[in-house]
Amino acid sequence: DAKTTQPPSMDCAEGRAANLPCNHSTISGNEYVYWYRQIHSQGPQYIIHGLKNNETNEMASLIITEDRKSSTLILPHATLRDTAVYYCIVRVLPYSGAGSYQLTFGKGTKLSVIP
Amino acid sequence: EAGVVQSPRYKIIEKKQPVAFWCNPISGHNTLYWYLQNLGQGPELLIRYENEEAVDDSQLPKDRFSAERLKGVDSTLKIQPAELGDSAVYLCASSLGIAGPANEQFFGPGTRLTVL
Repeated sequence: DAKTTQPPSMDCAEGRAANLPCNHSTISGNEYVYWYRQIHSQGPQYIIHGLKNNETNEMASLIITEDRKSSTLILPHATLRDTAVYYCIVRVLPYSGAGSYQLTFGKGTKLSVIP
Repeated sequence: EAGVVQSPRYKIIEKKQPVAFWCNPISGHNTLYWYLQNLGQGPELLIRYENEEAVDDSQLPKDRFSAERLKGVDSTLKIQPAELGDSAVYLCASSLGIAGPANEQFFGPGTRLTVL
């Protein structure tokens, strides 16, 4: 699986958009970009994933550059509850069998939302 | 819908003692994972199951760690004997076990182990 690079920490004012970057310059054509977050004392939580196109769900938006070498997770209106470590993960998916797969986490970006 | 349940949430033991962690995955999820998370690091996979079968245990230190998933539902992770370096959070996750990109993993709250 491709390696990812994220800034160790970021701050964001409450109510503003939080833009979390991720570099995955060695990504290959069949690898997806996943984002998980981990709030203090909890297990990681899935946010969103994408392959080529930009994606949006109720939690966030994912913007993937045209060359797919980087992506940005956008939390449109950050709240204090969004304070967490955000992990960007790139991996190939299994297309057969029971579909289990390993998530390879880096150190992520610690996002602090400030009142 | 109940999430992934883990117990205990916290465990303090002395080195060389045995310890066991229990995980109950989300109903209907036939894949189960155990991860280890050291302080300040991301989780690292220890073992993953598809139903009762351990399909990847290459990162499980088999001299002291063991795991089982009887009947393909609950799972137990054991350490015997525990060492100081085993102090960490042990996370359990489960997923539906369907092929494809939407197969997200759901994590439990973890068990925080402290070895004295």
